[in-house]
Amino acid sequence: DGGITQSPKYLFRKEGQNVTLSCEQNLNHDAMYWYRQDPGQGLRLIYYSQIVNDFQKGDIAEGYSVSREKKESFPLTVTSAQKNPTAFYLCASSIFRSGGENYGYTFGSGTRLTVV
Amino acid sequence: AQTVTQSQPEMSVQEAETVTLSCTYDTSENNYYLFWYKQPPSRQMILVIRQEAYKQQNATENRFSVNFQKAAKSFSLKISDSQLGDTAMYFCASTDSYGGSQGNLIFGKGTKLSVKP
Repeated sequence: DGGITQSPKYLFRKEGQNVTLSCEQNLNHDAMYWYRQDPGQGLRLIYYSQIVNDFQKGDIAEGYSVSREKKESFPLTVTSAQKNPTAFYLCASSIFRSGGENYGYTFGSGTRLTVV
Repeated sequence: AQTVTQSQPEMSVQEAETVTLSCTYDTSENNYYLFWYKQPPSRQMILVIRQEAYKQQNATENRFSVNFQKAAKSFSLKISDSQLGDTAMYFCASTDSYGGSQGNLIFGKGTKLSVKP
């Protein structure tokens, strides 16, 4: 079955370390997204990519980095510059193409990142 | 910046009753899309319903229906015959109105719905 896989489910980071969250999809979707979820804050966009080898900053990109070397993969690195990284991270994908219909996102199951 | 507002942080409903969750949004576009997502305790985000702004008819999916008021920029979700499995966070979302980011969704802060037996 097609879907999005996020790994790991739980991740612990020490102060000053970089960590990478994995996101893989086999839906043949062009666009992929990373959102951060905090209690009472809803979902906030970190980065998005509409095509391979191209990505754009979202509303809260500081302290994060991404790459899009393959259509299927969109890993997120949480760097030591992110001062408050403890949160739930959601990856999503969509078939959206500019000017076309929008059917919303398919989401992964999320990664809970905790700083220890 | 474009915003989506859910004015009810928490709601509760008795099993088998009907409940309505509110959502308002702002956009400068004439054509856009609106969504309701459900996030149960498992935290998996599930699409509940989708509405195309240029369609007058309100979308329905089984026990879920919307009241879409385009002029008022309002998009409420009605859940009929509430079931215990409807207990979840519900997020309203709108497509972004800015140029190349029109595929992006802007989410509200969510409404936590509890269905009581």
